[in-house]
Amino acid sequence: GQQLNQSPQSMFIQEGEDVSMNCTSSSIFNTWLWYKQEPGEGPVLLIALYKAGELTSNGRLTAQFGITRKDSFLNISASIPSDVGIYFCAGLSGGTSYGKLTFGQGTILTVHP
Amino acid sequence: GAVVSQHPSRVICKSGTSVKIECRSLDFQATTMFWYRQFPKQSLMLMATSNEGSKATYEQGVEKDKFLINHASLTLSTLTVTSAHPEDSSFYICSAKKLETQYFGPGTRLLVL
Repeated sequence: GQQLNQSPQSMFIQEGEDVSMNCTSSSIFNTWLWYKQEPGEGPVLLIALYKAGELTSNGRLTAQFGITRKDSFLNISASIPSDVGIYFCAGLSGGTSYGKLTFGQGTILTVHP
Repeated sequence: GAVVSQHPSRVICKSGTSVKIECRSLDFQATTMFWYRQFPKQSLMLMATSNEGSKATYEQGVEKDKFLINHASLTLSTLTVTSAHPEDSSFYICSAKKLETQYFGPGTRLLVL
């Protein structure tokens, strides 16, 4: 089946540093989504990407839909302590999958003040 | 965005009892909802796809008689864990599909004693 490889698995950074994480796949996706999950909560949508090559920003977050449709990255600039959490990429393919998402393994982000 | 709620947020029950979890899309209609299970520090595992007015589609390895899903309206899907056992203890999260994006509920923590 489809798989998403998300890296890095975890990051420990200082407040103010920039962060970059990415997801790659052997399959093509029509939509890439990036979520953040905090302990005991459901994932919250950060950025949605719908077209190959699309670059979208949401405040300090920037994400891109790779031109090959097999990868995506998420950058966080000038990190702050509240950026702590688990970040998941998710891909949505076409066909008869009723919109099922394929998730990456997650990137655990720790920000030291 | 879109708002999805879950109820209850936390439930403790005795082994052998059944537990019902509700998932509601509050400000949009969702023909399709999804139910996930998540273990600590792991990604989300899709259990089933819930389609309004039809039977749910279960992922391989998920017992449909154990995890009963009902999607009776365009804003409500329910997951009933029947005859719960301690190994069913987990974090259950629903999502609702809006266009090409999924919006997640806050999750339900189930503890079976």
